[in-house]
Amino acid sequence: DTEVTQTPKHLVMGMTNKKSLKCEQHMGHRAMYWYKQKAKKPPELMFVYSYEKLSINESVPSRFSPECPNSSLLNLHLHALQPEDSALYLCASSQDAGDTYNEQFFGPGTRLTVL
Amino acid sequence: QKEVEQNSGPLSVPEGAIASLNCTYSDRVSQSFFWYRQYSGKSPELIMSIYSNGDKEDGRFTAQLNKASQYVSLLIRDSQPSDSATYLCAVNMIRSGYSTLTFGKGTMLLVSP
Repeated sequence: DTEVTQTPKHLVMGMTNKKSLKCEQHMGHRAMYWYKQKAKKPPELMFVYSYEKLSINESVPSRFSPECPNSSLLNLHLHALQPEDSALYLCASSQDAGDTYNEQFFGPGTRLTVL
Repeated sequence: QKEVEQNSGPLSVPEGAIASLNCTYSDRVSQSFFWYRQYSGKSPELIMSIYSNGDKEDGRFTAQLNKASQYVSLLIRDSQPSDSATYLCAVNMIRSGYSTLTFGKGTMLLVSP
């Protein structure tokens, strides 16, 4: 099963709300990623988790808080977002983030709108 | 700044033609290269990976790699309207000991019936 799932598909939130995005994979992968993609732009890496530990944080604002409860799950907690944070949030997974030949597989994404 | 460059397009080809998508990269030590297809409003889908110089074929898709020229390409034979999408070139780069992807801006392909 080469599938990464994400919930919800769409999310609308106000600037004072707290919400969470969820990602799950059952491929036995040990690396998981969060990306942000704005319209007509490529995906931008936000966070990398390797073996459930945060390995790379691309200087993401603290209003985005990642969490990896276990090797299959990845969450992104959102708080006090700004309208410019509206984007498609993509989760990806791969076998091993330490492997040079490392194929990443993306989930369907969560379309986030901040009002 | 490590970069991946692609023509933004759109690249327009008639149905049945060969579409040729190109990508150059700046990091000479990169070892793995990927092509993703992204339909409008959808997430990127991995369609090809290539690690060695030369050609790699999978169905109607052929990826080509030339590390000396720092050049990667994707050929789509017998193009179909369903191939109309944005094609993202991604290059693996090691940062802090971890494998990360750097994406080009993507080339939009339009296949007309």
